[in-house]
This record gives sequence, C-alpha cells and structure tokens, in this order.
Amino acid sequence: DADVTQTPRNRITKTGKRIMLECSQTKGHDRMYWYRQDPGLGLRLIYYSFDVKDINKGEISDGYSVSRQAQAKFSLSLESAIPNQTALYFCATSDYREDTQYFGPGTRLTVL
Amino acid sequence: AQSVAQPEDQVNVAEGNPLTVKCTYSVSGNPYLFWYVQYPNRGLQFLLKYITGDNLVKGSYGFEAEFNKSQTSFHLKKPSALVSDSALYFCAVRDHEHPSNDMRFGAGTRLTVKP
Repeated sequence: DADVTQTPRNRITKTGKRIMLECSQTKGHDRMYWYRQDPGLGLRLIYYSFDVKDINKGEISDGYSVSRQAQAKFSLSLESAIPNQTALYFCATSDYREDTQYFGPGTRLTVL
Repeated sequence: AQSVAQPEDQVNVAEGNPLTVKCTYSVSGNPYLFWYVQYPNRGLQFLLKYITGDNLVKGSYGFEAEFNKSQTSFHLKKPSALVSDSALYFCAVRDHEHPSNDMRFGAGTRLTVKP
C-alpha cells in the first residue's frame, strides 16, 4: 500500500464550485504539505503544517484553505474554484528530524 | 528567500553517455539541497540530498550530485545514462538557518535518453 495517498486522483469541476482534495499518510510523519505543479513553473507550495495545531501559508495560498484533521490527514479546499486553479496537486509529508519529503501520486484538477 | 534555478528545460543524451542536469541556488544561510525525479503520471521520488559533509553525494539509481559552495551549484550527474532515466528532474533548496522556511523547487528539467 502507498504511504501517501490522495483522493480523488482526477477531478473535473466548474467555476465557482467548492472542491476538497484529501491526503492521508501512514508514514507517521508530523509535517504535511500541499503543492501545485504547473508546466514550466515547477512545484509551488500552497500550505504546510508542522503538526496538527500548526498551519502556515506557502508561496501561493490565495484562493485555498486547508484543514489538518489529524496527524495523518491534511485536506486542501478551493472555496470557489476558478480556471487558473487547473493544475496537478501534490501532497507531501516529512519527518521533523529530516527534510526529505515524500510525495503522493497527485490529483489532476480541471476547472472549466 | 531561497530560490533555485534549473537553466535547461530539456537535456538530451544518448544511452551509455554521461549525463548532467544543472542546478544553482540562492539562500541567505546554509542550504539543504535535494534532487527529485518525476516519472509520467507519478508523484515526485526522492533521489538524493546534501545536508553537510562530503560535497559529493550519492543517491538512488546510480545518480550523484556535487555541492559547490563557491558556485552555488548542485548539479546532478550519472556516468552512464539509461533509457529508463528519462523523466522530469527537480532540484530543491531549503535554508538550514531558517527551518520554518519552506522548500523551493526549480522549474524542472526534462531528461530524454535516446537508445
């Protein structure tokens, strides 16, 4: 079984809809991250959480919100989706003792 | 804030030849440097990292990278490329002096190894 899972893997939605992307991990890591990937731009950090009570904005948090429901779960919400949020979204985890991040398989989101 | 540059969007090499994927970085403190690889329809996989110590770091699948502080570079290398190495490669940096700072990724370099 995969250590970091993301649901859904693909989603097509319409402008203005609320969308939630979910991430779960079985690695026991305390730190979790949400990134988006756009061609030619690499990965950009949206939000990150160092523990259940800690939430931090990343480079591009506008239009997004997150919830850390438990150590193993970190969800990303788009309150009112817009077309330029069409991208590949990745969740990642890491342990506080080292900086290596472990990525989920990604969610491809299309906003029409 | 920290930043990473990968000056080449695309690198093409013939199978069996050595490969180099370039990365330069900018941080105010000491860098933690990483290379990740992304295969089609997959998430990123960790290849190797430099934290401290020996400037030459060896990682997965025969890859290695050399930390060069004076040139602020961390180029990824492999002595003999395989067709299966074809993928998207990302360099990333984090500022060790500011652990709460996030990790910054480069835009990625697409490596194509031709038979």
